[in-house]
Amino acid sequence: DVKVTQSSRYLVKRTGEKVFLECVQDMDHENMFWYRQDPGLGLRLIYFSYDVKMKEKGDIPEGYSVSREKKERFSLILESASTNQTSMYLCASSLSGRAAYGYTFGSGTRLTVV
Amino acid sequence: KQEVTQIPAALSVPEGENLVLNCSFTDSAIYNLQWFRQDPGKGLTSLLLIQSSQREQTSGRLNASLDKSSGRSTLYIAASQPGDSATYLCAVNSGGYQKVTFGTGTKLQVIP
Repeated sequence: DVKVTQSSRYLVKRTGEKVFLECVQDMDHENMFWYRQDPGLGLRLIYFSYDVKMKEKGDIPEGYSVSREKKERFSLILESASTNQTSMYLCASSLSGRAAYGYTFGSGTRLTVV
Repeated sequence: KQEVTQIPAALSVPEGENLVLNCSFTDSAIYNLQWFRQDPGKGLTSLLLIQSSQREQTSGRLNASLDKSSGRSTLYIAASQPGDSATYLCAVNSGGYQKVTFGTGTKLQVIP
């Protein structure tokens, strides 16, 4: 069964810490995405990547960065965590550009910044 | 800019009832539309994907339809079960590199 795996289900971090959220997919997908999901705001795109070492800003990139050194792994980095980054973070992947393929999501990481 | 609306935000039905969830979008120039299910505290599970050239897709008790001209999709669930209780989201793909717009979801409760 194809999978998108997020390394942590729950994380608690302190304000100012550097936080790494990891996502790995085993489907040889070119595209990978990071979203955050908040009540009343829905899913918002933070960053996406369409190839190794390539990245594009989404709708809310401020305070975040990403890394994609290998095709299967896409990391989200919170440079200096703040309480307003407390959220559910969802990683997704898809095949390149082709409309025939939809998104596959990971199980999510619930991050709490205290 | 694409906008996606799901109404109602919440729905409660008795077990065994057939039901329809709605998804509306403002720009009919789409590539595909995907329906997801989300259980509390979990990620999104894909249910059905409809291409822009298709009118409907079926999987088990689920049937999704697409009418681009009216900017609407419906998810029909037959003979609902308590295990169907979850939030259902639709996602419209209308941009490059598969940038997708999500609805805010319909929270479904099926009462035994």
